[in-house]
Amino acid sequence: EVQLVESGGGLVQPGGSLRLSCLASGFTVSNNYISWVRQAPGKGLEWVSVIYSGGSIKYGDSVKGRFTISRDNSKNTLYLQMNSLRVEDTAVYYCASGGDSPRYWGQGTLVTVSS
Amino acid sequence: EIVLTQSPATLSLSPGERATLSCRASQSLRSYLAWYQQKPGQAPRLLIYDASNRAPGIPARFSGSGSGTDFTLTISSLEPEDFAVYYCQQRINWPCTFGQGTRLEIK
Repeated sequence: EVQLVESGGGLVQPGGSLRLSCLASGFTVSNNYISWVRQAPGKGLEWVSVIYSGGSIKYGDSVKGRFTISRDNSKNTLYLQMNSLRVEDTAVYYCASGGDSPRYWGQGTLVTVSS
Repeated sequence: EIVLTQSPATLSLSPGERATLSCRASQSLRSYLAWYQQKPGQAPRLLIYDASNRAPGIPARFSGSGSGTDFTLTISSLEPEDFAVYYCQQRINWPCTFGQGTRLEIK
């Protein structure tokens, strides 16, 4: 059974940093492409970043240069390093796998950027 | 960036009725469009991928159609658990984008 479990969210001040983790089970992260998708409170969904099985990476324009996606194959875990956080980055962050229209989603982790 | 416009914003129907949700794209998606259902406090759930293919485990009352720029999600006979927010999503271009959502509420 495929499972994705996010962690690492919390309250951070503007300009601060946070690292999110997504522990995968039921499949290997190195053989799949996995995305981070976020949802601001009461708002719609926004694609943040994707890492493909071959290692190539893409970012949404709103996070380019501030966020870094990576994976640790030995831990079967995906990461999202978030630097220079802004109030508008406040959202639930989901990791999702299963292609460009992902079938598998984690439960999400809430990031709140506020002073 | 491709813009997806969903209509209506809110749809009020009763259980047993037929629901028709629309998604229009700012440029052709061919058939690279998906539909998701999201309930409060939950992650999105994939219903339909590539315009008309039901994801595993999705009931047959959900169907998708369309190609190019105009797409439709149809729920043939609403069950109480179908009242939720529905999003369309394109995957032909990066960044993959979502529509703003249609809220399906009980009349």
